[in-house]
Amino acid sequence: QKEVEQDPGPLSVPEGAIVSLNCTYSNSAFQYFMWYRQYSRKGPELLMYTYSSGNKEDGRFTAQVDKSSKYISLFIRDSQPSDSATYLCAMSPNTGFQKLVFGTGTRLLVSP
Amino acid sequence: EPEVTQTPSHQVTQMGQEVILRCVPISNHLYFYWYRQILGQKVEFLVSFYNNEISEKSEIFDDQFSVERPDGSNFTLKIRSTKLEDSAMYFCASMRGTGELFFGEGSRLTVL
Repeated sequence: QKEVEQDPGPLSVPEGAIVSLNCTYSNSAFQYFMWYRQYSRKGPELLMYTYSSGNKEDGRFTAQVDKSSKYISLFIRDSQPSDSATYLCAMSPNTGFQKLVFGTGTRLLVSP
Repeated sequence: EPEVTQTPSHQVTQMGQEVILRCVPISNHLYFYWYRQILGQKVEFLVSFYNNEISEKSEIFDDQFSVERPDGSNFTLKIRSTKLEDSAMYFCASMRGTGELFFGEGSRLTVL
């Protein structure tokens, strides 16, 4: 079993749709969970950062962590064509953030 | 907004040549990292650096790789004798210590 699994997509939605992106993981030691957005041939851009279980909201973005199920989600409300990118989940076990483990990324396409 | 900057954006080299990739982390950050992403694959951790020494490295980071912080601003990754399989995007990242890891735009290395 891979340490972090993420559906590669692509996920195609119309503008305005609610998007749900997900990752599952196997390492119960993970405590810190991040979502990054990556445009083609660019560096990952941090979108959301959460600790342990629960929800966190930032504008149109909501991150959820369910540690009991080892499952994390990113919801995007009112999706825009500019949201078209690859979304990477990443996680780490400790405060030192010595090593992030990334998912493979889900490619999202939002059509006008 | 402060950002991590990387040079060069793209380097082409012959197999067996030495390559140095340069990074200027965000100025008040304390933790520095190199990650790489082979085309079409996930972002992978290479090495972390804190207090002028390597704090963790992956199995990818073998004796051909080295990192250095030669002055107060630069952070470099050296590959002594490049191999074809070293072709990838190399991302520098930095963190102040709060857990939010910021990435640069990346340096694309092509080994011929």
